[in-house]
Amino acid sequence: DAGVIQSPRHEVTEMGQEVTLRCKPISGHNSLFWYRQTMMRGLELLIYFNNNVPIDDSGMPEDRFSAKMPNASFSTLKIQPSEPRDSAVYFCASRPLTTSYEQYFGPGTRLTVT
Amino acid sequence: KNEVEQSPQNLTAQEGEFITINCSYSVGISALHWLQQHPGGGIVSLFMLSSGKKKHGRLIATINIQEKHSSLHITASHPRDSAVYICAVRSSSNTGKLIFGQGTTLQVKP
Repeated sequence: DAGVIQSPRHEVTEMGQEVTLRCKPISGHNSLFWYRQTMMRGLELLIYFNNNVPIDDSGMPEDRFSAKMPNASFSTLKIQPSEPRDSAVYFCASRPLTTSYEQYFGPGTRLTVT
Repeated sequence: KNEVEQSPQNLTAQEGEFITINCSYSVGISALHWLQQHPGGGIVSLFMLSSGKKKHGRLIATINIQEKHSSLHITASHPRDSAVYICAVRSSSNTGKLIFGQGTTLQVKP
């Protein structure tokens, strides 16, 4: 199994540009999580999907952030327009369709907004 | 006050030492996770526990539900154990959200 796949691994963009981060969860996992990690705030949950439906988006910072999960094997996190304070590492994680709560993390996307 | 507190924030040890990292939480939980993040950035789940104790190799995790406290122990520490160790809890009041501690940065010197 390839694990959770994220792309791109690194993204550098200018302020005001649109950024799209992508995630492919592990096959068969029915829950998907988007996290952001910064030095100041550590790891924070942005949004959580269960069976492709957003369950909790209370962590999404503001309207500039949006996330979609059009099918069980793909999710996107979009920032439009991006700002320098969005610079962070964005992790995607998925959880299997069992009673286990264990989450499997992707390698992360390091976003730098200049 | 954060809902999940870890101590210490930073820890330096000599190779071979026994290491303990602590995690206290203030919410009702259904599970507690210990995660490891290496300097390259990848996050690996070490343990998920809801009671008692788990062991994997040189790593041991314990949890005391009544005291709302968990510990991660590393026996015979090695420089490759150098990483950030993160405690996270799954609140019993929601459907899957993890609440993270701020992490403990461990450096093991040879």
